[in-house]
Amino acid sequence: ETGVTQSPTHLIKTRGQQVTLRCSSQSGHNTVSWYQQALGQGPQFIFQYYREEENGRGNFPPRFSGLQFPNYSSELNVNALELDDSALYLCASTRGGEQYFGPGTRLTVT
Amino acid sequence: EDQVTQSPEALRLQEGESSSLNCSYTVSGLRGLFWYRQDPGKGPEFLFTLYSAGEEKEKERLKATLTKKESFLHITAPKPEDSATYLCAVQARSGSEKLVFGKGTKLTVNP
Repeated sequence: ETGVTQSPTHLIKTRGQQVTLRCSSQSGHNTVSWYQQALGQGPQFIFQYYREEENGRGNFPPRFSGLQFPNYSSELNVNALELDDSALYLCASTRGGEQYFGPGTRLTVT
Repeated sequence: EDQVTQSPEALRLQEGESSSLNCSYTVSGLRGLFWYRQDPGKGPEFLFTLYSAGEEKEKERLKATLTKKESFLHITAPKPEDSATYLCAVQARSGSEKLVFGKGTKLTVNP
């Protein structure tokens, strides 16, 4: 049990819409990272938050944005959805230098 | 740019047939190399972290080793429940704590 939960499990959106994905981790896990995993690929780093501040960003456009809250929850927001945004979105919290992943949110854009 | 290449892409074994998965990497100063197991449609499950060349770690039928250029995940006498995709990732010493992943090796163990 990683202690990382994500919601929703699945989501279907239309191109051009906006989506918010949520992640919750355990108390004291100050670092949260978000990854995008396309089918048949390894996870790709989107960004990371440490104590509510962005601490690093991968090669994703500004329409991917995030927030981290004092209660150790986090959000990933994606605006102007494109078909290529269809993927499994993973949240990970850091504990002891290691990243533990949640179950993911499967986003389908039609 | 940090990079991870995993081979083979897919591997089929008979139950009890031992083998190894390879992870080659380039990174600007290695902080750690990580192995994960991922079942279809689920999040990656942490297996091991290796920090320096020569280090080895074991867990049940799995053993991970590390050199300066690659890591191996050895699977001894695998069982069907070991079937999964195994992901390798590196973390650089500088910058954010991002993980750079390979595409994974899909392992199938037949009974």
